[in-house]
Amino acid sequence: QEQLVESGGGVVQPGESMRLSCAASGFTFSGHGMHWVRQAPGKGLEWVAVIWHDGSYTYSADSVKGRFTISRDNSNNMVFLQMNSLRADDTALYYCARGDAMDVWGQGITVTVSS
Amino acid sequence: SYELSQPPSVSVSPGQTATLTCSGDALSKQYVYWYQQKSGQVPVLVISKDTKRPPGIPERFSGSTSGTTVTLTISGVQADDEAYYYCQSADNHGPYVVFGGGTKLTVL
Repeated sequence: QEQLVESGGGVVQPGESMRLSCAASGFTFSGHGMHWVRQAPGKGLEWVAVIWHDGSYTYSADSVKGRFTISRDNSNNMVFLQMNSLRADDTALYYCARGDAMDVWGQGITVTVSS
Repeated sequence: SYELSQPPSVSVSPGQTATLTCSGDALSKQYVYWYQQKSGQVPVLVISKDTKRPPGIPERFSGSTSGTTVTLTISGVQADDEAYYYCQSADNHGPYVVFGGGTKLTVL
């Protein structure tokens, strides 16, 4: 079945870096754009970044621009989120999601930024 | 920055119809997607491209548009429909995605 599985989360101190990974299976990964979406504790959904199906274009939210970078490896059906200069307000559950419709979501991975 | 507006809460009794709205300046030109998120669970797409129901979504979920406001209608509401509902779209200046703040649907 179509599946996304995130990994790489945990606890980091402010200013540090972290790389999230999302492994796709059960569908033609290279045919879909991919998103990262996050949800802070008790808050709503916040879009983070998108990457085109072939990696040719990437866009990110103003709140993470210049600090977070989305990338992908179509050979291994993976999408990544490199997060630098992490701040306390980046603490959230991070999801990867498929395509414009975001019709497939991972189970989410927790990122906690705390000293 | 572009925003989508949703009422914070809607309450209905079982069997009644719930009407959830989402407003945004670009909605007459951009598709809207609706997601249901039950407590502690992953969001689930319930309406795609304004009006299309994905496979497995009950027929009581429907979407409609009118200018810069889109509506998610849930007919014959059931207790299991209690959840947060988020709209999602893009602005007219690029592929920047935005979510509405979410509406908590309470089934009385």
